[in-house]
Amino acid sequence: DVKVTQSSRYLVKRTGEKVFLECVQDMDHENMFWYRQDPGLGLRLIYFSYDVKMKEKGDIPEGYSVSREKKERFSLILESASTNQTSMYLCASSSTGYSNQPQHFGDGTRLSIL
Amino acid sequence: AQSVTQLGSHVSVSEGALVLLRCNYSSSVPPYLFWYVQYPNQGLQLLLKYTTGATLVKGINGFEAEFKKSETSFHLTKPSAHMSDAAEYFCAVRPLNSGNTPLVFGKGTRLSVIA
Repeated sequence: DVKVTQSSRYLVKRTGEKVFLECVQDMDHENMFWYRQDPGLGLRLIYFSYDVKMKEKGDIPEGYSVSREKKERFSLILESASTNQTSMYLCASSSTGYSNQPQHFGDGTRLSIL
Repeated sequence: AQSVTQLGSHVSVSEGALVLLRCNYSSSVPPYLFWYVQYPNQGLQLLLKYTTGATLVKGINGFEAEFKKSETSFHLTKPSAHMSDAAEYFCAVRPLNSGNTPLVFGKGTRLSVIA
């Protein structure tokens, strides 16, 4: 089974802090994704990556950056955390190939910015 | 751009009753279609997917979905709801031959099961 592991289930940070959310997958997947989930808004794509050192902006990249130095690890960075970034963050991965490949998700990090 | 509409943000059924969760997609060319389930405080888990072939797709936990091209729909059903089915359900799509572009998700439907 694919395992996508997010380093923290719950995280509390303060406004203005630089915040790192880490995600690791164990299936040698090329593609990795970061979403945020808010009530009534569903999942919104922040950034994704097709390969090491590559990144693409999603629908809501403002206030975020990402890093992919190794194939198995994809980090989401909040440069200067703000209260409107309080949310559930979900990481996912998928393999390259046919377009019918599903995305596999981690358990999420619930981030609170005070 | 591709979009997904899930009718009803919240559906409530009695235990043992039929579950029907609706999903419609926007494109004229049928995409690949997925249903995911999210239990409280967990990530998303794949329930089933439609790619090609048989239009009735069976998934885990007794769920199934039927692809109807004429209705641009991919509704999720289960004949008899169980308390453990209470969760949030997401429909997602990806256009054919789009490589590995991210899935596009609907806003989700929260299913409550009443004893």
